[in-house]
Amino acid sequence: KAGVTQTPRYLIKTRGQQVTLSCSPISGHRSVSWYQQTPGQGLQFLFEYFSETQRNKGNFPGRFSGRQFSNSRSEMNVSTLELGDSALYLCASSPEATRGEKLFFGSGTQLSVL
Amino acid sequence: AQSVTQLGSHVSVSEGALVLLRCNYSSSVPPYLFWYVQYPNQGLQLLLKYTTGATLVKGINGFEAEFKKSETSFHLTKPSAHMSDAAEYFCAVTRTYNTDKLIFGTGTRLQVFP
Repeated sequence: KAGVTQTPRYLIKTRGQQVTLSCSPISGHRSVSWYQQTPGQGLQFLFEYFSETQRNKGNFPGRFSGRQFSNSRSEMNVSTLELGDSALYLCASSPEATRGEKLFFGSGTQLSVL
Repeated sequence: AQSVTQLGSHVSVSEGALVLLRCNYSSSVPPYLFWYVQYPNQGLQLLLKYTTGATLVKGINGFEAEFKKSETSFHLTKPSAHMSDAAEYFCAVTRTYNTDKLIFGTGTRLQVFP
């Protein structure tokens, strides 16, 4: 069974650009969540989606958005990139939201903003 | 409010020595608690979890943790460190139901010396 797949693995952008990151959950998983990891702020929750509906949102500016498709694949978008958006973005999936009990993480997308 | 506190951002041990990584949590509901490991340029791998039942939890790679409600702690231990244990370790908690939202500690980097 394939794990959580995140693409691309690495991404380099310049300030002011926008970026879209993709996450394909494990087959049969309907819940997808996103985290940002930086050396300064650690791991911070971005969003959680279940059956195409955003269930939870972290404390991030409106430049950060996401969505989930009917096949449970998810994308997150960051507009007007800032240097501080450089981070490892992690996606995780589970069959349904069960307090993290059945959560699996992908390897992440490393975003560098120049 | 901080929900997970990991004492010590860096811990160094000799190969074969005891590993002890500390985690304290706060939660208004019975917590689900997790330890994850992250190797360089990789995602998060679940080491072990506590949901309900036995308070001593055994995980992969010889790690274990004990849930102590009276001390609000969930410390991670391993009797004998191996060079391959060098990584960053994160404690996490979910505090509410119907969500996979994890609140992470700031992480502890474990170094193992020969």
